Amino acid sequence: AQSVAQPEDQVNVAEGNPLTVKCTYSVSGNPYLFWYVQYPNRGLQFLLKYITGDNLVKGSYGFEAEFNKSQTSFHLKKPSALVSDSALYFCAVRDIESSNDYKLSFGAGTTVTVRA
Amino acid sequence: SAVISQKPSRDICQRGTSLTIQCQVDSQVTMMFWYRQQPGQSLTLIATANQGSEATYESGFVIDKFPISRPNLTFSTLTVSNMSPEDSSIYLCSTRDRREGELFFGEGSRLTVL
Repeated sequence: AQSVAQPEDQVNVAEGNPLTVKCTYSVSGNPYLFWYVQYPNRGLQFLLKYITGDNLVKGSYGFEAEFNKSQTSFHLKKPSALVSDSALYFCAVRDIESSNDYKLSFGAGTTVTVRA
Repeated sequence: SAVISQKPSRDICQRGTSLTIQCQVDSQVTMMFWYRQQPGQSLTLIATANQGSEATYESGFVIDKFPISRPNLTFSTLTVSNMSPEDSSIYLCSTRDRREGELFFGEGSRLTVL
């Protein structure tokens, strides 16, 4: 079984400050990990992914995430948040060694609010 | 990345009616997925639709309630049957990048059932 936990329902930061959105995962095999963002009344947009290789991955809009296997975490980060980053963020995982490896499991989502 | 178009983008429906959501992809894809996002909640996979075969439904979802068609490699429909207010959700169509597995989503269809 695979699952994702996003421990914070909401994250509030001031514009220009660092932004971190936390994600931990559980899989029986090796994970593929993803971050998505959802703006109001929109579908999900893909931000970045970890498949293999460097633990630090860079994605769209200046976001990056660090894969930490020992802590089973994949936290999303941005060095300097913008008001336009205010949105709902989802972490997702696939267990590539599962017989149902095509399935993506999503976390509950974290609402990010960046105040001016 | 695939571009996915869904319609309707939103609708208000009466209890007991059915609504069909259409999903069009700009390239041929093997797997298409239908997700539900209930208000304030995360995404739940309803079913996986492969062209030429019956859709595979997840636990808690049945074909009579959510019939799916997949007539070709670029198109799928999801019908929400005999709707009740509990079916008020955003329904999202998605497909997968073949190589590495990230999903691409349509803009979603926001249904409100009165």
